[in-house]
Amino acid sequence: AQTVTQSQPEMSVQEAETVTLSCTYDTSENNYYLFWYKQPPSRQMILVIRQEAYKQQNATENRFSVNFQKAAKSFSLKISDSQLGDTAMYFCAFMKTNAGKSTFGDGTTLTVKP
Amino acid sequence: DGGITQSPKYLFRKEGQNVTLSCEQNLNHDAMYWYRQDPGQGLRLIYYSQIVNDFQKGDIAEGYSVSREKKESFPLTVTSAQKNPTAFYLCASSGITSGANVLTFGAGSRLTVL
Repeated sequence: AQTVTQSQPEMSVQEAETVTLSCTYDTSENNYYLFWYKQPPSRQMILVIRQEAYKQQNATENRFSVNFQKAAKSFSLKISDSQLGDTAMYFCAFMKTNAGKSTFGDGTTLTVKP
Repeated sequence: DGGITQSPKYLFRKEGQNVTLSCEQNLNHDAMYWYRQDPGQGLRLIYYSQIVNDFQKGDIAEGYSVSREKKESFPLTVTSAQKNPTAFYLCASSGITSGANVLTFGAGSRLTVL
């Protein structure tokens, strides 16, 4: 079974600064996807970014980028130029290709301070 | 607008009662999921369905039941056998894009047992 670990329960960052959220996972699979989801105070979960394991290039979406280290089974999320609207809980998730279900970490609560 | 609708948003139940949470999607997604979210524990999969009239148990299915009679609907029943049902419940759906099931979530339902 796959496990996803987020070792930072809470983090804070000043507005406009950069912050990195950590995620490690354990799997024996070779083909899989990794995701970061965001849950703001409204509790509406949305996808932030995803990474295909077979791609060496790190995914980026505007201010959000990942550092994917397949050998180390590490998948960190970097948020640049942090904004107050980035305050949320962030979940790392793993999905085996075509498995149909995702495994989530316990989440990191990020607070962006003005 | 396409999306997922969960109802009710808040629900109170007396011990020993069954309750049903509704989840409807108009995204034409094949797969649907129910997750439970407890404080500090992330999301845990209760049940999922990849096709009409078929569903599979997730990691914490005991005390829950589901049905998938229509593609658009995936109701969750919390039975009296569920020992600790107070939680936040999230419904999600996904289509398959290049082998990855990216999840689209509903706004959630909070169940409180009195």
